Amino acid sequence: ETGVTQTPRHLVMGMTNKKSLKCEQHLGHNAMYWYKQSAKKPLELMFVYSLEERVENNSVPSRFSPECPNSSHLFLHLHTLQPEDSALYLCASSRLLGQPYEQYFGPGTRLTVT
Amino acid sequence: DAKTTQPPSMDCAEGRAANLPCNHSTISGNEYVYWYRQIHSQGPQYIIHGLKNNETNEMASLIITEDRKSSTLILPHATLRDTAVYYCILGYSTLTFGKGTMLLVSP
Repeated sequence: ETGVTQTPRHLVMGMTNKKSLKCEQHLGHNAMYWYKQSAKKPLELMFVYSLEERVENNSVPSRFSPECPNSSHLFLHLHTLQPEDSALYLCASSRLLGQPYEQYFGPGTRLTVT
Repeated sequence: DAKTTQPPSMDCAEGRAANLPCNHSTISGNEYVYWYRQIHSQGPQYIIHGLKNNETNEMASLIITEDRKSSTLILPHATLRDTAVYYCILGYSTLTFGKGTMLLVSP
């Protein structure tokens, strides 16, 4: 138990659906992150939030839309996804952005797009 | 691109020390070295980090060479539950994960 929870743990959605992934951290951290891990590929950083402001967006398609309503919650809104978006989506948090602050990861949401 | 180089895989006998190497010859003077691991299909787990000095915690020890161009993560008494992919990462602002080292601990 890392103090970072993600729901749902598994999600199957069609290409025309709209769904949201939720992340919650109980650590009092001020920075939160979304990562994507496709099969047999390294983790890819998608979005970074610091003090509820988005500070990094790594050329992620607009069909992925993040939201950080407060420092404890992070959402990833999904719409009109493609089958290649099937992956493990991981949320992480850290006390502050940057070093030397380590990141704590949630268990991930396994997403399958059909 | 990841700025570290790690062997793709290593084996270790249960109960023995596992020494995982990492080369980071282009490290900047103020970059920390972080180690994480990822057990199959789970989220990565933070292990340890350091800047110049060697570090030890309840999970592992981190040895950084004096020129800071390489480091070694040491798991002093590996168990089967230590089987995972281990990532060595340089982290100035955000972390960039590479392919890591797949450590297989066998009975």
